[in-house]
Amino acid sequence: RKEVEQDPGPFNVPEGATVAFNCTYSNSASQSFFWYRQDCRKEPKLLMSVYSSGNEDGRFTAQLNRASQYISLLIRDSKLSDSATYLCVVNPNAGNNRKLIWGLGTSLAVNP
Amino acid sequence: NAGVTQTPKFQVLKTGQSMTLQCAQDMNHNSMYWYRQDPGMGLRLIYYSASEGTTDKGEVPNGYNVSRLNKREFSLRLESAAPSQTSVYFCASVRGTQETQYFGPGTRLLVL
Repeated sequence: RKEVEQDPGPFNVPEGATVAFNCTYSNSASQSFFWYRQDCRKEPKLLMSVYSSGNEDGRFTAQLNRASQYISLLIRDSKLSDSATYLCVVNPNAGNNRKLIWGLGTSLAVNP
Repeated sequence: NAGVTQTPKFQVLKTGQSMTLQCAQDMNHNSMYWYRQDPGMGLRLIYYSASEGTTDKGEVPNGYNVSRLNKREFSLRLESAAPSQTSVYFCASVRGTQETQYFGPGTRLLVL
């Protein structure tokens, strides 16, 4: 099993749709989790951190399920500008960000 | 405030040539990283520097050397380029013990 797994997609959705991605991780001792966004031929940028209690930022909601070892990202009311690749990132070591584990990403295309 | 900058943006090398990729950050961050991103492989850590004067190997260090010139700058050197080093190279930095990684725009390298 890969350390971090994501469905590569692509997810093709119409504007206004709600879409959800999951990401599974293999190390049950993993400490922190993130979603990054990467536009085509650009650098990754932090979208949001994922907290145990879940967190929401506007149209974006992230959840953590430690029992099943996955994190999720929900995007409501999709916009054309949400089209990107979403990278799941796991840090297995608290206070040590040298060994982040990066997923391969899930590609999202929002269509007019 | 430019964030993380990388030069060059693009480079074509012949097998056996050498070159240095430059990275600089103006955010007073302690830690800096070099990644490579390849299709189907995700982001892989080449080297990192937890602080000025220290460097450590990441997941894929072979064929590379690094130099943390000062707190701002972290360079990556390919002594004898190989086609397997064709990739997109990203530099990133992190402030203190925080985990958010800030990326430069990347260097696209083609080794013929």
